Amino acid sequence: GEDVEQSLFLSVREGDSSVINCTYTDSSSTYLYWYKQEPGAGLQLLTYIFSNMDMKQDQRLTVLLNKKDKHLSLRIADTQTGDSAIYFCAESKNTDKLIFGTGTRLQVFP
Amino acid sequence: DAGVTQSPTHLIKTRGQQVTLRCSPKSGHDTVSWYQQALGQGPQFIFQYYEEEERQRGNFPDRFSGHQFPNYSSELNVNALLLGDSALYLCASSLPGQGGSYEQYFGPGTRLTVT
Repeated sequence: GEDVEQSLFLSVREGDSSVINCTYTDSSSTYLYWYKQEPGAGLQLLTYIFSNMDMKQDQRLTVLLNKKDKHLSLRIADTQTGDSAIYFCAESKNTDKLIFGTGTRLQVFP
Repeated sequence: DAGVTQSPTHLIKTRGQQVTLRCSPKSGHDTVSWYQQALGQGPQFIFQYYEEEERQRGNFPDRFSGHQFPNYSSELNVNALLLGDSALYLCASSLPGQGGSYEQYFGPGTRLTVT
């Protein structure tokens, strides 16, 4: 089946690292994505990882994939107040539809 | 380079009415997908259009229909609106095969309120 789960809320202090976790059920997923949504806005593609990789780093963002456990994480280094938003994990198979989690609300406090 | 654009931004309709939402894809993109995002939820896939045909559909009733034009822009039509259709409707465009990444880029969405 297709299901993506995320914790609902994360609160971190400015300057600390944030780690947002996601689990998925479809082992045939090809790509796994992280999207960011700010209030009243659409979704911004942050990064994605192909299923045969286990790590991808892009500036302050690090994505870790444990395919055996179907677990995906997004680490944001040196978290800033501008990182406050809802973060969605999503999976897809090639050009198929994106299956999204319910989102994790990240709150960054000074 | 303009990203994905959607119109209108906000819309208020009455139950039973029909609505048309519009989307222009990112320049060079030929595939358009539509998603419905209810308040507090993740987006749910409605359908995807490629070469003016519906290529794949999610679990939505036939009241939801769409169209893609030769210039790759797309419309989403919803008939016989229900209160539960109130949501943010997101359009995403992609260019399948571009770098093999299948990245989808989203527009700002249309907020539909059904009263």
